[in-house]
Amino acid sequence: GESVGLHLPTLSVQEGDNSIINCAYSNSASDYFIWYKQESGKGPQFIIDIRSNMDKRQGQRVTVLLNKTVKHLSLQIAATQPGDSAVYFCAEIWDSSYKLIFGSGTRLLVRP
Amino acid sequence: EAQVTQNPRYLITVTGKKLTVTCSQNMNHEYMSWYRQDPGLGLRQIYYSMNVEVTDKGDVPEGYKVSRKEKRNFPLILESPSPNQTSLYFCASSLSWGLHEQFFGPGTRLTVL
Repeated sequence: GESVGLHLPTLSVQEGDNSIINCAYSNSASDYFIWYKQESGKGPQFIIDIRSNMDKRQGQRVTVLLNKTVKHLSLQIAATQPGDSAVYFCAEIWDSSYKLIFGSGTRLLVRP
Repeated sequence: EAQVTQNPRYLITVTGKKLTVTCSQNMNHEYMSWYRQDPGLGLRQIYYSMNVEVTDKGDVPEGYKVSRKEKRNFPLILESPSPNQTSLYFCASSLSWGLHEQFFGPGTRLTVL
């Protein structure tokens, strides 16, 4: 498959453990934050988003936390599975700009 | 099946030879966008389109053109490709700008020699 990044930070977790992927953002005016998952050889896939006036949002096995004080976003994956192995990107949106700005990504490796 | 398709998936070309990468979606989406992905730089937006005949520059538009004559199609045009445009390109679409779930195509690997 395609190599999506040669210099990505990597998080290695044991299957069944919880994973926490972190992201720092720069623009305090961002309206939304989004997490995408990219498997090898595929395009990014939307996971979950959170509005800037929220602190936490939960999905199926995933939770996103937003700390606006320190401009930090995290994605928590419960009971990590081999199928979760991928590169994870955070992205931020300024609604008025109609643009999506991606972070550089984190590679998640799940050990069996 | 609801999807975003791109063609070609792989292309090797030479400097200066005009090329077009097609993108088509069958979901009646209003918003479409092109990104390039490079190691260490993540995905960067090239151009986007809010709807038919409405396009605007993203963060790295130099050397690219787009058109949106029909709702379903959003081709990316490189009039005179250069080696620094060697990259992995993704097209994406969403129902509207306000809905943040963008659907991405499978990608086009372009190499410019």
